[in-house]
Amino acid sequence: QQQVKQSPQSLIVQKGGIPIINCAYENTAFDYFPWYQQFPGKGPALLIAIRPDVSEKKEGRFTISFNKSAKQFSLHIMDSQPGDSATYFCAASRWSRLTFGEGTQLTVNP
Amino acid sequence: GAVVSQHPSWVICKSGTSVKIECRSLDFQATTMFWYRQFPKQSLMLMATSNEGSKATYEQGVEKDKFLINHASLTLSTLTVTSAHPEDSSFYICSARWRGGSDTQYFGPGTRLTVL
Repeated sequence: QQQVKQSPQSLIVQKGGIPIINCAYENTAFDYFPWYQQFPGKGPALLIAIRPDVSEKKEGRFTISFNKSAKQFSLHIMDSQPGDSATYFCAASRWSRLTFGEGTQLTVNP
Repeated sequence: GAVVSQHPSWVICKSGTSVKIECRSLDFQATTMFWYRQFPKQSLMLMATSNEGSKATYEQGVEKDKFLINHASLTLSTLTVTSAHPEDSSFYICSARWRGGSDTQYFGPGTRLTVL
């Protein structure tokens, strides 16, 4: 599978902060880039997704920034809350086959 | 909407036995279902893609004779781990793609398999 590199591995922010998680991909054939949130012992839940013809997408407190030329995309979480503490995965898709990043464990302190 | 269930949520079995995991799309028809494996503190790895009524497509390195996948209807796919060994212990997660053609995949809650 093609690689998707995600950073940082872990992230700690204070309540109200704006954590930023970054991903980089190699294969320019990827055409769909979702972000998932996963709590321990649960399946991933889709947060937000973007296609490469769009540079930014916002849904609620979640924003994806996409840089096609750099083959990078990032997730910003506005006004983060302790309940946002979870593992976040970026992914890239080609023909609906998802390749996941390594994951970022986010902790939001009260 | 877009709910995917898995059964069982956890299972413990003896080495050498077979275990079947069910994945159901509860409120939509899924042309395609996917099976992933996730080891502790690691990412999800795609094992196979399953299209209704046809043979599953396995990712490189995944043994098709060990991980049997059946997708008999638009709402049900099953994964059978045959002759399970302790190294097969993992979190198995399915996802389903809506028949309408969207790229969005909806994930099930996962099944924790422990092989003794």
